[in-house]
Amino acid sequence: EAGVTQFPSHSVIEKGQTVTLRCDPISGHDNLYWYRRVMGKEIKFLLHFVKESKQDESGMPNNRFLAERTGGTYSTLKVQPAELEDSGVYFCASSEETRGLAVNTGELFFGEGSRLTVL
Amino acid sequence: AQKVTQAQTEISVVEKEDVTLDCVYETRDTTYYLFWYKQPPSGELVFLIRRNSFDEQNEISGRYSWNFQKSTSSFNFTITASQVVDSAVYFCALSEANFNKFYFGSGTKLNVKP
Repeated sequence: EAGVTQFPSHSVIEKGQTVTLRCDPISGHDNLYWYRRVMGKEIKFLLHFVKESKQDESGMPNNRFLAERTGGTYSTLKVQPAELEDSGVYFCASSEETRGLAVNTGELFFGEGSRLTVL
Repeated sequence: AQKVTQAQTEISVVEKEDVTLDCVYETRDTTYYLFWYKQPPSGELVFLIRRNSFDEQNEISGRYSWNFQKSTSSFNFTITASQVVDSAVYFCALSEANFNKFYFGSGTKLNVKP
């Protein structure tokens, strides 16, 4: 079974440019999360999708960040325009939602992260 | 407010030594979950353990053990007889009961030298 995949693994852009990060969760996982780790600090919550709906986007820094999950499968996180402080590693994670025989245990399955460097 | 503190930024030990990674959390919820994740050099975080707030029993899994103490709001992780393969960054995390949001610490980098 394929794990969570993220693309690109590393992106270097100039301040003011646009970058789109993509996350493909594990097939069948309704929960999809975006997190960010800046400069060795804590991993911070950005937002949580349940299927295609945004359950909680309280962690999104500002309106330069836009996350979508059309169709409830893969998700994209767009930063436009990028600023220096947006540099960091963006993690995507997915998990099952409780329905039928599936139980959400809280275990998150993470991708390897997308490292964003804004110059 | 929810918060997780991992005061140890980096720890270096020699193989076969025991090492304890500290985790202190803050929450006003009565029902919550605590986790530990391991981040190897490949980058993805790997789940190690989950504990709910009503279960203070310590847990042992091979060389790994976890000590959950609500009285001190701590959830410490001990590796016995450490090995080079244990070298990684370890994150402690706290979740609300509905798993909507997870709060991670800043991680502890463990270096195990041969």
